[in-house]
Parts: sequence; structure tokens; C-alpha cells
Amino acid sequence: DAGVIQSPRHEVTEMGQEVTLRCKPISGHNSLFWYRQTMMRGLELLIYFNNNVPIDDSGMPEDRFSAKMPNASFSTLKIQPSEPRDSAVYFCASSLRGSYNEQFFGPGTRLTVL
Amino acid sequence: AQTVTQSQPEMSVQEAETVTLSCTYDTSESDYYLFWYKQPPSRQMILVIRQEAYKQQNATENRFSVNFQKAAKSFSLKISDSQLGDAAMYFCAYRSEEIQGAQKLVFGQGTRLTINP
Repeated sequence: DAGVIQSPRHEVTEMGQEVTLRCKPISGHNSLFWYRQTMMRGLELLIYFNNNVPIDDSGMPEDRFSAKMPNASFSTLKIQPSEPRDSAVYFCASSLRGSYNEQFFGPGTRLTVL
Repeated sequence: AQTVTQSQPEMSVQEAETVTLSCTYDTSESDYYLFWYKQPPSRQMILVIRQEAYKQQNATENRFSVNFQKAAKSFSLKISDSQLGDAAMYFCAYRSEEIQGAQKLVFGQGTRLTINP
């Protein structure tokens, strides 16, 4: 299996622009997670889905952030408009549903907002 | 809300020696899971070891083992025979039992481990 696939790996954009991050989970996994990693706040969950349905979006910073999962094999995280403080590494992870099950992380997208 | 604390921002160890990374957590739940993840410079998050709270026996994976003290809410990671490839950031993480709702991982701030040759 190819693992969790994220694109792009790096994104540099200017403040005010729309940014879309993409994730393809491992085939057969029914839970998908979006995390953000910064020096100040560490690793924090933004949102997660079970069977394509958003379950907990309490970590989404503000209305500028939105996430979708139109089907079991694809999810997007969109930031509109982007701000410099959104600069971070964004990870997508997937797992089989169940707290014991390992969450497999993608390689992350490093976002820089100028 | 659950919190995870790693009190050692940085640790270093000589190659082939043993090192222990500390982690404490705060929760009112009785059933949960604990994890150690490794993040090398490639930034890929890799699961090292996991522990179910209802199990008294400490988990072991080859050179990696944990010391799980439920009453003290402590979950330390021991790396034996340290190798250069063990150099990375190590994150302790907590996950609720799914029946209690939250499947998310709550991470500590991480410990940067350096291996000296």
C-alpha cells in the first residue's frame, strides 16, 4: 500500500490567497484526521471524519478553515483567505475506526503564507 | 479535557546506551490508550509503541519498552541499545476509548532525542 498521500508537499502563497490541501487515505480506512503542527502549539487536531462524516471540528481555528470528505478516498482542507499565522505543517492521518487502531500519518504539507 | 506533558524538551544519549523519555498525562477516564510516536527529520510520524490502559503488563517492541504507571498517570519510553537512527522527536499521545467519543490523539510537546556516536 502507498500509505496516506498528501499533496502538495510544500506550498508557498501570499496572504489573502486560497489554499487547498489534499489527502488520500489508505484504502479501507474509515477514519480520517487533519492535524496541524507548529512550534508554538505543537501537534493539534483540526477535524476528523468517520465514514466520510465530520465528527469533531472543534479544533478548526476559525471560519477561514473548512474541510470536506466527498468520498472514502479523498479529503480536502481549505483555508480562505490565508494568513501568515496559518504557516505550519498540516498532516492527514487515517485509520480503521477504533481507538486502539494505529493512525497512519501522511508526509505532511508544509504551508508558508507570506 | 485530557492533557499530555513531556517535561524534557531535549535528551541526548551515547550510542548503544539506554535512555528514558518521560511523559505524564491528565485524565478522568479509566479506559484509554497511550502511544509513542517518532518524528525523524523527514517529519514522517511513525508509531513506536502503544499501551492499553486496562493492561497492567508494559508493552514492548524490540528495543523499545514502556513503563506504564496508571495511578501516577505516567507513561515513559525506554530505548535500549540506542542507535543513530533513533535520533528524532518523540511524541507521547493519549487517545480516549472510542465509546467515550473522542478518537483524536492528544499530543505532548515532544522530546528531541540526540544520539552521540
